[in-house]
Amino acid sequence: AQKVTQAQTEISVVEKEDVTLDCVYETRDTTYYLFWYKQPPSGELVFLIRRNSFDEQNEISGRYSWNFQKSTSSFNFTITASQVVDSAVYFCALKSDSRGYNKLIFGAGTRLAVHP
Amino acid sequence: AAGVIQSPRHLIKEKRETATLKCYPIPRHDTVYWYQQGPGQDPQFLISFYEKMQSDKGSIPDRFSAQQFSDYHSELNMSSLELGDSALYFCASSLVTGHNTGELFFGEGSRLTVL
Repeated sequence: AQKVTQAQTEISVVEKEDVTLDCVYETRDTTYYLFWYKQPPSGELVFLIRRNSFDEQNEISGRYSWNFQKSTSSFNFTITASQVVDSAVYFCALKSDSRGYNKLIFGAGTRLAVHP
Repeated sequence: AAGVIQSPRHLIKEKRETATLKCYPIPRHDTVYWYQQGPGQDPQFLISFYEKMQSDKGSIPDRFSAQQFSDYHSELNMSSLELGDSALYFCASSLVTGHNTGELFFGEGSRLTVL
């Protein structure tokens, strides 16, 4: 079975703090993809990153960075120097198999509130 | 670049009415997915279509049906609406055929409110 766990329901930080959103996944497939999406109050799902199971390199994109560790089945997301505009719900998601019709399975989401 | 188009963006219906949501995938994408996101919930997979055939089915109520047409657009039909059907409905499309990752691209969602 596939499952994504985001243990942090809500996180509240003050602007300029660093914050890490945790994501733990379960899958028996050897080929899979992990994603992070941002859902601002307006509701749309904004794609942030995709990582495949064969690429454990960490990635940095501006203030965002991702730490993928297969040994612990984790794909954590860090925002450095958080800003009020980062306030949103963040979803981690898993898609097993690099091809095929397999659906995306979402975690429960972490609501991040960044206060001025 | 063209994205996934969903219509209508907002819809208000009464209980027991019927609603239809439409999704126009990214051109040349062959797979469409429907998700339902209730208030404060994560998106839940409803159903998907590959090349106009149902490819997977999730927690879709029997009152709901969907199909993918020859032009690859999809429609989600919801009948006998209940208050609990109030949600944000996302459509996503992907290109599965060939050497692709099958990455899902989401539309902006259709917000259904049932009164």
